[in-house]
Amino acid sequence: DAGVIQSPRHEVTEMGQEVTLRCKPISGHDYLFWYRQTMMRGLELLIYFNNNVPIDDSGMPEDRFSAKMPNASFSTLKIQPSEPRDSAVYFCASSLGSGRASDNEQFFGPGTRLTVL
Amino acid sequence: DQQVKQNSPSLSVQEGRISILNCDYTNSMFDYFLWYKKYPAEGPTFLISISSIKDKNEDGRFTVFLNKSAKHLSLHIVPSQPGDSAVYFCAALSEGGKLIFGQGTELSVKP
Repeated sequence: DAGVIQSPRHEVTEMGQEVTLRCKPISGHDYLFWYRQTMMRGLELLIYFNNNVPIDDSGMPEDRFSAKMPNASFSTLKIQPSEPRDSAVYFCASSLGSGRASDNEQFFGPGTRLTVL
Repeated sequence: DQQVKQNSPSLSVQEGRISILNCDYTNSMFDYFLWYKKYPAEGPTFLISISSIKDKNEDGRFTVFLNKSAKHLSLHIVPSQPGDSAVYFCAALSEGGKLIFGQGTELSVKP
């Protein structure tokens, strides 16, 4: 398996524009997570899905952020409209997720570095 | 409200010496902990984990210690190598398979 795939790797956009980040989880993983990494707050969980269903979106900063998982092999994180304070690295991760704690190890993608000017 | 804290943003160690990275947590219900390592321009990768039924887990040069009464864990790297230079994140497994991460500690191992 190629691991978790994210695109694009880098995105530079202007304030007010719509940004869409994409993620392909590892095949067979039932859980998908979206994180944001900043210097101030480290790795923050934004939202996660189980079997394509959003379970907890309490980390989504505001209504400008939305995430979807239309099928088991694809998820998107959208920011509309984008603002300079959204500049960060966004990671997608997936895990098997089961009753065994060791199955909750998350595998991360390489991240998307977003810059909003 | 940080449930998992890494109070040292950075650590510098000489090659061959021991690196000790610390992590504190506030929720006594946490019973599984993980350490992740992150290189620049890459995603975090799993390094080692420990269950609360143990107080030590060892994997080669890496050992994690858990002190439940103090709600504290630490990662020891012996001997440290320049390739260990990275950001290390401590994480606790929460309900629903969520991981709660600390802010990370940047380790620099100097030759």
